[in-house]
Amino acid sequence: EDKVVQSPLSLVVHEGDTVTLNCSYEVTNFRSLLWYKQEKKAPTFLFMLTSSGIEKKSGRLSSILDKKELFSILNITATQTGDSAIYLCAPRGTYDKVIFGPGTSLSVIP
Amino acid sequence: DAGITQSPRHKVTETGTPVTLRCHQTENHRYMYWYRQDPGHGLRLIHYSYGVKDTDKGEVSDGYSVSRSKTEDFLLTLESATSSQTSVYFCAIKAGGEGQPQHFGDGTRLSIL
Repeated sequence: EDKVVQSPLSLVVHEGDTVTLNCSYEVTNFRSLLWYKQEKKAPTFLFMLTSSGIEKKSGRLSSILDKKELFSILNITATQTGDSAIYLCAPRGTYDKVIFGPGTSLSVIP
Repeated sequence: DAGITQSPRHKVTETGTPVTLRCHQTENHRYMYWYRQDPGHGLRLIHYSYGVKDTDKGEVSDGYSVSRSKTEDFLLTLESATSSQTSVYFCAIKAGGEGQPQHFGDGTRLSIL
């Protein structure tokens, strides 16, 4: 059975801190892994990772995938209050099926 | 903005009534999806469509039906709503081709009393 585990489930940090969000997965015929950010409404797409060891970066956010150990991490440096959101990890497997994890709820306080 | 409109945005109804949610896209994308999001469960796939009149079930399809008569519209129907179907419903779209990400609408908050 396909499974996605994210940790921690909830996190509170101060502005300027660096955070690491974890995602481990078991997905049949793994093809890629996506990260989304969800604020009050729709999840918005951040990254798609297909190859191990290649870091994707967008400003203060970066992510990397390890296909051998079946996990991914999302790093956020110099956090800001605008980074407060739920971060969803979503590996993709057979027939392009996407499995969403429960999310990590990040709160950044001034 | 991914060009997705969900309607209604909020709805309160009673157990046993039929409910239809609409997802409209302006991107002409082939794939459309309906998810529900509940605390502790994340996003779970209800049904999806890979073209006009082509639909298939997701992991939580019981109690739901869908229709897609035009590329731009994907309808989700609860034939006889139950309180367990109280949730936030998201529509997503995806362009064809391997490796494209899904893009989401703003959601419909549905409460069944």
